[in-house]
Amino acid sequence: SQKIEQNSEALNIQEGKTATLTCNYTNYSPAYLQWYRQDPGRGPVFLLLIRENEKEKRKERLKVTFDTTLKQSLFHTTASQPADSATYLCALDPGRRALTFGSGTRLQVQP
Amino acid sequence: DAGVIQSPRHEVTEMGQEVTLRCKPISGHDYLFWYRQTMMRGLELLIYFNNNVPIDDSGMPEDRFSAKMPNASFSTLKIQPSEPRDSAVYFCASRPAAGVETQYFGPGTRLLVL
Repeated sequence: SQKIEQNSEALNIQEGKTATLTCNYTNYSPAYLQWYRQDPGRGPVFLLLIRENEKEKRKERLKVTFDTTLKQSLFHTTASQPADSATYLCALDPGRRALTFGSGTRLQVQP
Repeated sequence: DAGVIQSPRHEVTEMGQEVTLRCKPISGHDYLFWYRQTMMRGLELLIYFNNNVPIDDSGMPEDRFSAKMPNASFSTLKIQPSEPRDSAVYFCASRPAAGVETQYFGPGTRLLVL
């Protein structure tokens, strides 16, 4: 079956460091992959989309990579700030015109 | 635009009662999605509509769940009868037809069934 896997353990880093979150998927070849941010008590908010023909995408201090051979996307927050603390979810379309989400990884940036 | 609007924000009910969750999508969006989020199962798609027509309801857990979209600006998700295992946060999301499939989520309804 199709699976999207994200590290369920929280990632704790110090302010100013780079955080790297991983999204692995199986049994599917998506045309693009999306990353969302979710704060406690709120709905997910779209951050970035990367297409299968793009190796890397940047938005301010965020960087996403997409390796279709490894079936993996990496999400980086550079010069991380406490305000980056949240849960980050990856999502892709398994072919039904709707997104399937990973379970998310919680990032905690310590001041 | 006010974004996706959901009501109520919190609902506490007793097992066996009927629960109705409401959603107003962003004006002009043709797609509407209902999700359920729990710690154990994460964010699961329940059903989605395109131009008010249900397209994929394969995620609806069982017959106790039903969803309607009578017009472009309103949708309901109903649980009858409710059970404790239905306790979760229910999100509604919408997106326009054109462009990539970025979704805009509402604030969610936190449901607790006692």
